[in-house]
Order: sequence, then structure tokens, then C-alpha cells
Amino acid sequence: AQSVAQPEDQVNVAEGNPLTVKCTYSVSGNPYLFWYVQYPNRGLQFLLKYITGDNLVKGSYGFEAEFNKSQTSFHLKKPSALVSDSALYFCAVRDNAGNMLTFGGGTRLMVKP
Amino acid sequence: DTGVSQDPRHKITKRGQNVTFRCDPISEHNRLYWYRQTLGQGPEFLTYFQNEAQLEKSRLLSDRFSAERPKGSFSTLEIQRTEQGDSAMYLCASSPAVRIGELFFGEGSRLTVL
Repeated sequence: AQSVAQPEDQVNVAEGNPLTVKCTYSVSGNPYLFWYVQYPNRGLQFLLKYITGDNLVKGSYGFEAEFNKSQTSFHLKKPSALVSDSALYFCAVRDNAGNMLTFGGGTRLMVKP
Repeated sequence: DTGVSQDPRHKITKRGQNVTFRCDPISEHNRLYWYRQTLGQGPEFLTYFQNEAQLEKSRLLSDRFSAERPKGSFSTLEIQRTEQGDSAMYLCASSPAVRIGELFFGEGSRLTVL
């Protein structure tokens, strides 16, 4: 069975500072890893994904994520946070054979001016 | 690209009643997913269609839940004999086959069972 853990319910960061939202995963075989964002009263939106290749992947809105196979992690990062980045962030995993994404419980990011 | 639309957006029902949700995916997407999300939790997979074929169904899904996607276009999710534990946001997403894991979600249908 595949699973995702997001150890922090909430991350607080000041505007302009770097941010990291943590994610670890468990899956059989090679993982496909994803980050989604949910703004208030909006549907989940795809941010970025890792399938293969470079461990550092870049996505929408200046976000990037680093795949670390030995630590089974896929942390979301941004060099300089914006207040508008405040939202709920979900990490997800899929094995390379199935079609189902398994989501973590989410991390609320609060960026303060 | 008009996005994924779901109807109704909100449904309040009494325990024991049946409810049906509709999802209209992005027209060129052949994959369609249903997820359920409760407050403070991540989305939980319910079922997956490729065109009209239902290819995966969560083992956690009660027999009271059924989903269809006739003609590979819109989909319906029916919950029979609703229970209070069914109260949740029901999310529909669609995806083109070539973009692995990139799901386009609708805004969801919120169900409240009294």
C-alpha cells in the first residue's frame, strides 16, 4: 500500500523568507510524486511532479521540490514566500503501475506580511 | 477549457435518503476520478474511470456507493441510504492520459447528512 505523511499541520513563514513544506512517502517500486495546492473555496490545483530525471523539479508560481530517494522525501520549497502563497498544500504519491493518487493530510501554509 | 464542473455544490439530506452527484469533466480528458475529502484530511480515493470503464474502486467504498460514466463523458456518483458518516466534500477530477498524475479538480459537492 502506498502512503504519504505530511508531518506539519501548519507552517508559518514571513513574507520574503524561504519556505519548506515537508513530505515523506512510502510506495512499492519507483514513485511518482506530486504537490497540489488548495486555495479557499477553490478546487485543488496541480503544482508540480516528479516522475524521473533530475531530483529538483520546478513548478508553478516559483515553487520547486526536491526528490530524495534515500530519505523517501519530496519537500516543497520556495526561495521567497508571498502572502498570496497562503493556502493548503497536499503531497501525493502514485506507484508506476496504478492510477490512484494517494494524498497526505495537508499542510496549511501561512505567510505573514 | 471550461474546467471540471460539479453539481450540486451543496446538498443537505436526511439520513436514509439517496443522493446523486454529477461531474462534467474537461471534454478531452478520458480519465475521471472521484475522491472524498473530510475536514482536515487529504482527499481519499473512491473510484477511477478510463473512458466509460470503471477500472479501480477503493476497497473502503461501501456497497451503498455506486458510480457510472455512460458514454465516457459525464459521471454520476450515487450514495444510497445515506449515513451521517457520509458527510464530506465529494471531489471529481479529470485528467488526460498523457499527463501522468496531473488531475484537474472541480470545486466539489458538499454533502451534509442530518
